[in-house]
Amino acid sequence: EPEVTQTPSHQVTQMGQEVILRCVPISNHLYFYWYRQILGQKVEFLVSFYNNEISEKSEIFDDQFSVERPDGSNFTLKIRSTKLEDSAMYFCASSLGRGPYNEQFFGPGTRLTVL
Amino acid sequence: ELKVEQNPLFLSMQEGKNYTIYCNYSTTSDRLYWYRQDPGKSLESLFVLLSNGAVKQEGRLMASLDTKARLSTLHITAAVHDLSATYFCAVHKLIFGTGTRLQVFP
Repeated sequence: EPEVTQTPSHQVTQMGQEVILRCVPISNHLYFYWYRQILGQKVEFLVSFYNNEISEKSEIFDDQFSVERPDGSNFTLKIRSTKLEDSAMYFCASSLGRGPYNEQFFGPGTRLTVL
Repeated sequence: ELKVEQNPLFLSMQEGKNYTIYCNYSTTSDRLYWYRQDPGKSLESLFVLLSNGAVKQEGRLMASLDTKARLSTLHITAAVHDLSATYFCAVHKLIFGTGTRLQVFP
């Protein structure tokens, strides 16, 4: 069964450093998403991406965040200058479409720890 | 601002018992999702509810949707330990609820 994969599973970085989180969505999916979950809290939407551009983003997704689909398979989330409060679990998801019948499939997540 | 609230936030229940988790949302949505999350794991889709009055069942879990009341319920029948997890509801564009941490004990 096809699945969304994410690497690395755990990333530790120093405050102020740049990190890139990688995701490989399901191959025939067209819509891609990033979410984050601070430990013990709810899952929060960051950004959605379609046709090589951001289609929607939340207030959390400020100028220090960016997303890219550098090739036909990877979807990346870059955090330019990490802050302590960026420590969270980051989930990538993908869906075939955006209508109500299009379920989002989530990857296993990357745990980001900023020291 | 769209709000999605769940209650209870934490539920400890005995095996074999029944209980209901509630999900209220503050504005209209054309769909509602229920997800399960095990500790340290990703989100597993349980149900997608698309219309008023929709009811879906899978094993010991049954989800329903009342769009007029902006309320969805997740009913657990005869709980077993394997159901211990955190359950999230989410509405359109995946605004997630606060989550309900379910713990089932013998």
